[in-house]
Amino acid sequence: EVQLLESGGGLVQPGGSLRLSCAASGFSFNNYDMSWVRQAPGKGLEWVSGISRSGASTYHADSVKGRFTISRDNSKNTLYLQMNSLRGEDTAVYHCAKGAYFASIDVWGNGTTVTVSS
Amino acid sequence: DIQMTQSPSSLSASVGDRVTITCRASQSIGDYLNWYQRKPGKAPKLLIYAASTLQSGVPSSFSGSGSGTDFTLTINSLQPEDFATYYCQQSYSAPHTFGQGTKLEIK
Repeated sequence: EVQLLESGGGLVQPGGSLRLSCAASGFSFNNYDMSWVRQAPGKGLEWVSGISRSGASTYHADSVKGRFTISRDNSKNTLYLQMNSLRGEDTAVYHCAKGAYFASIDVWGNGTTVTVSS
Repeated sequence: DIQMTQSPSSLSASVGDRVTITCRASQSIGDYLNWYQRKPGKAPKLLIYAASTLQSGVPSSFSGSGSGTDFTLTINSLQPEDFATYYCQQSYSAPHTFGQGTKLEIK
């Protein structure tokens, strides 16, 4: 069974840092692009970051550019999101997502909650 | 960045109805358009990719059309389990932006 299991969320003060992890299983992780998508309370889905299967190419939304870094360790089947200089507007549930045809997302993790508050 | 605009933002319909949701891109995205269904407490579900290709396991009551900048998601004969929020997403260029969502409610 294909599974994505996120971890690393929690409560952090503004300006702080967190690193999210996503453990992938049930598929050949190194054959797929991956991404992070978040949903803030009462808001819609927001694509945050994406990474190619090799990790050579990364992309970030303007709202997180310069603060967040996506990476992956194919030897550990794990995706990461390093989040620095966190702001209140970064409060959200963060989902790990597996890329599919036409760069759609066919598998989503259940998410990990990040709360930025003093 | 490419902006995605969905309409309507919310929609009331009855079981058995046919509904259409539209999504417009701020520039041409070819057919790099995906549709997702989101129910409370559940992960989003891919319904359609490449504008009109039904994801495996998705009922044929769902269909997608369009290319360039204008796209539609149609649900024929609404079932109780179809009441949810629907999102479009462009995957033509990063960032792969989502529309703001359309909440489909029971009338």
